Amino acid sequence: EDQVTQSPEALRLQEGESSSLNCSYTVSGLRGLFWYRQDPGKGPEFLFTLYSAGEEKEKERLKATLTKKESFLHITAPKPEDSATYLCAVRLGETSGSRLTFGEGTQLTVNP
Amino acid sequence: DSGVTQTPKHLITATGQRVTLRCSPRSGDLSVYWYQQSLDQGLQFLIQYYNGEERAKGNILERFSAQQFPDLHSELNLSSLELGDSALYFCASSVGPQNIQYFGAGTRLSVL
Repeated sequence: EDQVTQSPEALRLQEGESSSLNCSYTVSGLRGLFWYRQDPGKGPEFLFTLYSAGEEKEKERLKATLTKKESFLHITAPKPEDSATYLCAVRLGETSGSRLTFGEGTQLTVNP
Repeated sequence: DSGVTQTPKHLITATGQRVTLRCSPRSGDLSVYWYQQSLDQGLQFLIQYYNGEERAKGNILERFSAQQFPDLHSELNLSSLELGDSALYFCASSVGPQNIQYFGAGTRLSVL
């Protein structure tokens, strides 16, 4: 069965304390891995998409990487405004349309 | 602002009732997706429409139905509502080969 697992479930950091969030997946026919940020009561906000192992994408303090079995979201010198839930999602083979299968998310809190 | 508009923002209704949630996709986006987010289930894919036709279906209950109209807006109809249907319902839209999904702000449904 296709599965997406994110860890840790929750992470508390001090401002400036760098860390990484993990997304591991067990799927067949991966057609893309997506990272989203979700603030409480709001819709997910697109951050990155990765398509092949070895690919990396960066945006401000965030960097996403992809291997054959997992993806990491590295947060460098985080600020309180980076506090949010970070969601990982995968897009599967043709027969699945373009649906996304989401992990449960990592709730990140950055304290000043 | 993602450009995806969902109405209403909040809905409070009683068990057994029927409601309609509306979604206007980003200009030019042909695909519309519906997702349900509850506390214990995370974000779950319900259904996808592409240019008016159903493209993919997830674990959508038979009490739920959707359609996409010629102007590309979509509606999700939920009937015979149960307490467990209380959740956030998100619409997303996408276009092009990358199919990056952009999410609306969601409709919070409370069934009392």
